Amino acid sequence: EPEVTQTPSHQVTQMGQEVILRCVPISNHLYFYWYRQILGQKVEFLVSFYNNEISEKSEIFDDQFSVERPDGSNFTLKIRSTKLEDSAMYFCASIAGARAEAFFGQGTRLTVV
Amino acid sequence: TQLLEQSPQFLSIQEGENLTVYCNSSSVFSSLQWYRQEPGEGPVLLVTVVTGGEVKKLKRLTFQFGDARKDSSLHITAAQPGDTGLYLCAGVGPSNTGKLIFGQGTTLQVKP
Repeated sequence: EPEVTQTPSHQVTQMGQEVILRCVPISNHLYFYWYRQILGQKVEFLVSFYNNEISEKSEIFDDQFSVERPDGSNFTLKIRSTKLEDSAMYFCASIAGARAEAFFGQGTRLTVV
Repeated sequence: TQLLEQSPQFLSIQEGENLTVYCNSSSVFSSLQWYRQEPGEGPVLLVTVVTGGEVKKLKRLTFQFGDARKDSSLHITAAQPGDTGLYLCAGVGPSNTGKLIFGQGTTLQVKP
């Protein structure tokens, strides 16, 4: 069964450092997303990506965040200068069409110390 | 801003009992999805409801979409310990980007 894979599963970083979270979406999917879930809180939308550009982003997705699909298979989320409050589970998701089922990766637990 | 209010947030019941989880909004959603999330994993889709008034069944789980497409419910009949987990409702946002708006989740514990 096709799946979305994320690496690493856990990343610990020092405040102020840059991190890159990686995702390999399902190969024939067209829409890609990043969500985050702070411990004990709800899953929050960060950004959607379609046709090699951001199609929508939330207020959380400020200038510290960026996304890329550098090689047609990987989809990355970069946080330029991490803050303590960036500690969360980050989930990548992909869908085949705008109304289709979303497949989520297993998540990357980011801990900023 | 579209919001989904999910209730209850926590539910602890005995095996064999029935339960209902609610997901409410003041906004209309084009569709609504229910997910189950295990600790340390991503959400896994259970069902999508699209039409107002729609009812879908998945074994002992019954999902309903409100007539006005603003609310939904998940009913579990004769709950089993294997049903223990986090249940999330998510509405598909109004933009055509497929963005999901999640409720806070309901943590269900079914005791044997």
